Amino acid sequence: NAGVTQTPKFRVLKTGQSMTLLCAQDMNHEYMYWYRQDPGMGLRLIHYSVGEGTTAKGEVPDGYNVSRLKKQNFLLGLESAAPSQTSVYFCASSYPTSGATQETQYFGPGTRLLVL
Amino acid sequence: ELKVEQNPLFLSMQEGKNYTIYCNYSTTSDRLYWYRQDPGKSLESLFVLLSNGAVKQEGRLMASLDTKARLSTLHITAAVHDLSATYFCAVDTYSGTYKYIFGTGTRLKVLA
Repeated sequence: NAGVTQTPKFRVLKTGQSMTLLCAQDMNHEYMYWYRQDPGMGLRLIHYSVGEGTTAKGEVPDGYNVSRLKKQNFLLGLESAAPSQTSVYFCASSYPTSGATQETQYFGPGTRLLVL
Repeated sequence: ELKVEQNPLFLSMQEGKNYTIYCNYSTTSDRLYWYRQDPGKSLESLFVLLSNGAVKQEGRLMASLDTKARLSTLHITAAVHDLSATYFCAVDTYSGTYKYIFGTGTRLKVLA
């Protein structure tokens, strides 16, 4: 049981390049999330998904796109990377109990992205 | 706008001492979460507080929630070096759009 995994662990991009970050979970969780963490700040929600085939915007969605074609995978895409997107990206998943009253999130190890 | 504020932002304390971290939030929510993050690592869930007056304890950490005051506390009893980490609280709400907002974190350093 690997939990939540992220690929790659580290990446350097040049401004304008594109890339896709992959998140996978093996806990059969319905909800998945993408966050970014910048120095001295908490995590900020980029996009989330409440089930296969569904996605929604979070707090800071601009410049990112996501897809959830399979329940276990949640992809985060950067179409044209900018230096402001230099950050650590965390994926998380959760399985709300009845009434969605308990949403502990399980986090992946993070992807460090540097955009030059 | 939902805001989550923690204080202090930095805390340096001696082993064996007690201290409290505070988490204030700006909107109605009955759910509050505490996480721990070690340097360069991911986040680990500590507590989930689901109702007013909820109190949970694990080892030297105890968390409580007062939804009327929109305040949660994380109390550290007789700190040990292994508790050195950054602690985040988070709140979630749904009003058309789902929001899961983290505080800026409290960096705790326990000195031997």
